[in-house]
Amino acid sequence: DQQVKQNSPSLSVQEGRISILNCDYTNSMFDYFLWYKKYPAEGPTFLISISSIKDKNEDGRFTVFLNKSAKHLSLHIVPSQPGDSAVYFCAARDNAGNMLTFGGGTRLMVKP
Amino acid sequence: DTGVSQNPRHKITKRGQNVTFRCDPISEHNRLYWYRQTLGQGPEFLTYFQNEAQLEKSRLLSDRFSAERPKGSFSTLEIQRTEQGDSAMYLCATRVVMGSPLHFGNGTRLTVT
Repeated sequence: DQQVKQNSPSLSVQEGRISILNCDYTNSMFDYFLWYKKYPAEGPTFLISISSIKDKNEDGRFTVFLNKSAKHLSLHIVPSQPGDSAVYFCAARDNAGNMLTFGGGTRLMVKP
Repeated sequence: DTGVSQNPRHKITKRGQNVTFRCDPISEHNRLYWYRQTLGQGPEFLTYFQNEAQLEKSRLLSDRFSAERPKGSFSTLEIQRTEQGDSAMYLCATRVVMGSPLHFGNGTRLTVT
């Protein structure tokens, strides 16, 4: 049973527009959420995170929104750039804190 | 380069052979994790070390898999009697304290023929 789901396997966006990547989770014990970005032949790299006590966290062009009641989070990238083209993974940590549970990823393609 | 280092980057082996992968963590990162990623999926947790102690193992870690972290520094992941279903990217990740983000290596891609 997948506890973290990214229902869109791919997303294509025009350069300069907003990219919105979505993630849903089922485990109410998750208290910390992260987004990772992965280029081909490289490991995932940390992008941005949010604690369950917040509903928004912003870092430059990247903003993560958390809706706890809906068990949903999203990553907004604005403006999108061709270099943002990668696979984005949503991940969640429970309050035991030992490991991350990842979603299946969304491949973002930003077209020039 | 002070990132997480994994060797080899690629490994092709025949079914039934044993393979061993190595992970060198970022200095002073005492927490080390192994994950496995198959095509089209996100990374799946395998096992976790705090220093030299293996504190948690996933159900995915069958008895053919063994991981060690002697002296709390580098770690090895061994797969015995490999099967085609073991073909995947094996990722190592480390962090300095609980709650800090994981830093991943570039992984070892295993192909079992």
